[in-house]
Amino acid sequence: NAGVTQTPKFRILKIGQSMTLQCTQDMNHNYMYWYRQDPGMGLKLIYYSVGAGITDKGEVPNGYNVSRSTTEDFPLRLELAAPSQTSVYFCASSYSRTGTYEQYFGPGTRLTVT
Amino acid sequence: QQQVKQSPQSLIVQKGGISIINCAYENTAFDYFPWYQQFPGKGPALLIAIRPDVSEKKEGRFTISFNKSAKQFSLHIMDSQPGDSATYFCAASLTISNTGKLIFGQGTTLQVKP
Repeated sequence: NAGVTQTPKFRILKIGQSMTLQCTQDMNHNYMYWYRQDPGMGLKLIYYSVGAGITDKGEVPNGYNVSRSTTEDFPLRLELAAPSQTSVYFCASSYSRTGTYEQYFGPGTRLTVT
Repeated sequence: QQQVKQSPQSLIVQKGGISIINCAYENTAFDYFPWYQQFPGKGPALLIAIRPDVSEKKEGRFTISFNKSAKQFSLHIMDSQPGDSATYFCAASLTISNTGKLIFGQGTTLQVKP
């Protein structure tokens, strides 16, 4: 199993451009998440999904959109990129085991908006 | 009420010493407290987790101590090794939400000197 894969690894965007961060998992997990990680701020939840066709906002959803058409894929869309979206983005997936959810993280995408 | 506060932000320990990282939470409904370990350039990975019905959980050199009345929990790394140098995140979750969402602390960067 490849686990959680993310593409691209790095990307530089100009202000106002748009892009999609790809996330795929091959563990048949129902739950998927997008986080952003900024220095000294920990991981902030952007959006999450509890199954195909179901998505919901996390702590910091502004400027982002997601879709979940299949169990495997959970792309994150940035519209009109802003410098404040410069960050490292992590996708994660999980399943419920005895009521707890271990999250499996991808390797991350480092995004710079200039 | 959804915050998890983590300290210290950074920690330097000599090889063989004890590393201690502390976290405090506000929401008394949280019922699952994992710790994640992140190496540079990688995504976080689950290290150890605890439920509030126990006061301590030990896995090898890693121990979680949990104080429900104080709403605090901590990670102790015994006999710290240079290979333990990483960023550590505490987190909290409300399992009844059935979303697997985690609220992360700000992170602690640990450096173990040889």
